[in-house]
Amino acid sequence: EAQVTQNPRYLITVTGKKLTVTCSQNMNHEYMSWYRQDPGLGLRQIYYSMNVEVTDKGDVPEGYKVSRKEKRNFPLILESPSPNQTSLYFCASSSRDRPYGYTFGSGTRLTVV
Amino acid sequence: AQSVTQLDSQVPVFEEAPVELRCNYSSSVSVYLFWYVQYPNQGLQLLLKYLSGSTLVKGINGFEAEFNKSQTSFHLRKPSVHISDTAEYFCAVLPYGDSSYKLIFGSGTRLLVRP
Repeated sequence: EAQVTQNPRYLITVTGKKLTVTCSQNMNHEYMSWYRQDPGLGLRQIYYSMNVEVTDKGDVPEGYKVSRKEKRNFPLILESPSPNQTSLYFCASSSRDRPYGYTFGSGTRLTVV
Repeated sequence: AQSVTQLDSQVPVFEEAPVELRCNYSSSVSVYLFWYVQYPNQGLQLLLKYLSGSTLVKGINGFEAEFNKSQTSFHLRKPSVHISDTAEYFCAVLPYGDSSYKLIFGSGTRLLVRP
């Protein structure tokens, strides 16, 4: 089954403790992206990657890092999480030939206390 | 720059009544248009999309949307809603040829269907 898999689904952590949210896709998509969803703001792009070793900032990149060492994986790293990063996070992927064919992961609900 | 406006943050409606969720966008280039639904505690599910061609697009679960280029709108409609349609709905656009392939979302409309 074609899918984007995120882990974990839920995470509660403390301020300053580094964490990684994993994202993996099995569709051989070149493009991958991270979004965060906040009430009243919709979804906003954090980072995106056009291919292996090619990443760029989205609209809200502060406090986040990403890497794309393999085509299928695109982890989101929070080096020093803060409470304002409490949010619902989505990973997505699509093909460069069909950029409108987005597939989203199931989401990761992160709480930073 | 592009933007998406969903004019209603919440829409209460009785079961079996019709509903329209409004979406307007602003863009200097042509866009693809989407509606996504998010059921409570779940991820995003694509309801429908407009890429080209007929301006009336039919999606899953009996929803449809009409693209109006002159009014830059893409309103979502359903003739008769069910309790199970209670969810948050997001309108989104993807500009043609955008190098970041970024989906731009509206702030969402919460549809509350009452018995």
